[in-house]
Amino acid sequence: ETGVTQSPTHLIKTRGQQVTLRCSSQSGHNTVSWYQQALGQGPQFIFQYYREEENGRGNFPPRFSGLQFPNYSSELNVNALELDDSALYLCASSSSGTGVKNIQYFGAGTRLSVL
Amino acid sequence: DAKTTQPTSMDCAEGRAANLPCNHSTISGNEYVYWYRQIHSQGPQYIIHGLKNNETNEMASLIITEDRKSSTLILPHATLRDTAVYYCIPNTGTASKLTFGTGTRLQVTL
Repeated sequence: ETGVTQSPTHLIKTRGQQVTLRCSSQSGHNTVSWYQQALGQGPQFIFQYYREEENGRGNFPPRFSGLQFPNYSSELNVNALELDDSALYLCASSSSGTGVKNIQYFGAGTRLSVL
Repeated sequence: DAKTTQPTSMDCAEGRAANLPCNHSTISGNEYVYWYRQIHSQGPQYIIHGLKNNETNEMASLIITEDRKSSTLILPHATLRDTAVYYCIPNTGTASKLTFGTGTRLQVTL
């Protein structure tokens, strides 16, 4: 158990719809990262939030957006869903600060299926 | 980000040591080597990291070559629960993104 919780665990949407995925970070962590993992592939970095600001973004279009709240929990929003968005979405929390060595703690993920 | 090369898959008998190699010949001087694993249907789990010295914790040992171009993760007594995909990830250690490759699928058998 990492203390990182994601909801929902599974979700089915149709093409063109919008989806919001949620993540509660581990206590004491101020940074949340989101990853997309297609079947058979390693996780791909979507973006990271630190103190409610986006702090780095991977190669994902603007229809992937996020938020981080004052309690450091986070949301991932995807608009205009496409079939290729079907994947496992992983949230990871970590602590940024001097001497901290970027150990990220992952939730179990949300499995999104787009039909 | 430094590029990594790992075997696609490996087998190990339960109770034996599992030695998982990783080549990271383009690693920068300020990059650590992190190892994560992902058990089926779970999120990745941090195992260990190191800069240039060998490291050991309750889960595994990490051996980094003197030139830092490769490393080996050692699970001293593999169990069935160690069956997973293992990822080797160079990273500077600041809270930046982790770049996952395709990893090594370790199958531990009876």
